[in-house]
Amino acid sequence: EPEVTQTPSHQVTQMGQEVILRCVPISNHLYFYWYRQILGQKVEFLVSFYNNEISEKSEIFDDQFSVERPDGSNFTLKIRSTKLEDSAMYFCASGRDREETQYFGPGTRLLVL
Amino acid sequence: EDQVTQSPEALRLQEGESSSLNCSYTVSGLRGLFWYRQDPGKGPEFLFTLYSAGEEKEKERLKATLTKKESFLHITAPKPEDSATYLCAVSGNTPLVFGKGTRLSVIA
Repeated sequence: EPEVTQTPSHQVTQMGQEVILRCVPISNHLYFYWYRQILGQKVEFLVSFYNNEISEKSEIFDDQFSVERPDGSNFTLKIRSTKLEDSAMYFCASGRDREETQYFGPGTRLLVL
Repeated sequence: EDQVTQSPEALRLQEGESSSLNCSYTVSGLRGLFWYRQDPGKGPEFLFTLYSAGEEKEKERLKATLTKKESFLHITAPKPEDSATYLCAVSGNTPLVFGKGTRLSVIA
């Protein structure tokens, strides 16, 4: 059964450093998403990506964040200058259509020191 | 603003003791309501999608129902392996807005 994969599973970085989180969505899906979950809190939407551009984004997704689909399989989230409050689990998800089910990856646990 | 409220926050059941989890929502133009299961440190695992009031979906010991204001996840004769956090999410103006979840513990 196809699944969303994410790398790395864990990432520790120093405040102010750049990090890139990677995802391989399910191959026939057209919509890609990033969400985050701060420990003990809700899963929160960050951004959606369709047809090689951002289609929707939340207030959380400010100028320090960017997304890219560098090739036909990978989907990345870059955080330019990490802050302590960026520490969270980051989930990638994909779906065939905006209204259809989103399938989530296992997550990357990011710790900013 | 789309909102999801789940209750109870935590639920402890004996093995075989059936119960229901509630998800109340307010959304501008519901595109879909989704139930996920989340184990500690893992990503949400898809369970059900419901699109319109009156719709029901069933899988093993789980059954999800939808009205215009809320959804229920019914668990029949649960087993210890059903212990997890159950997340409800709605798709409206935002691709997915999640509730805080119900943490279910099933005791043998």
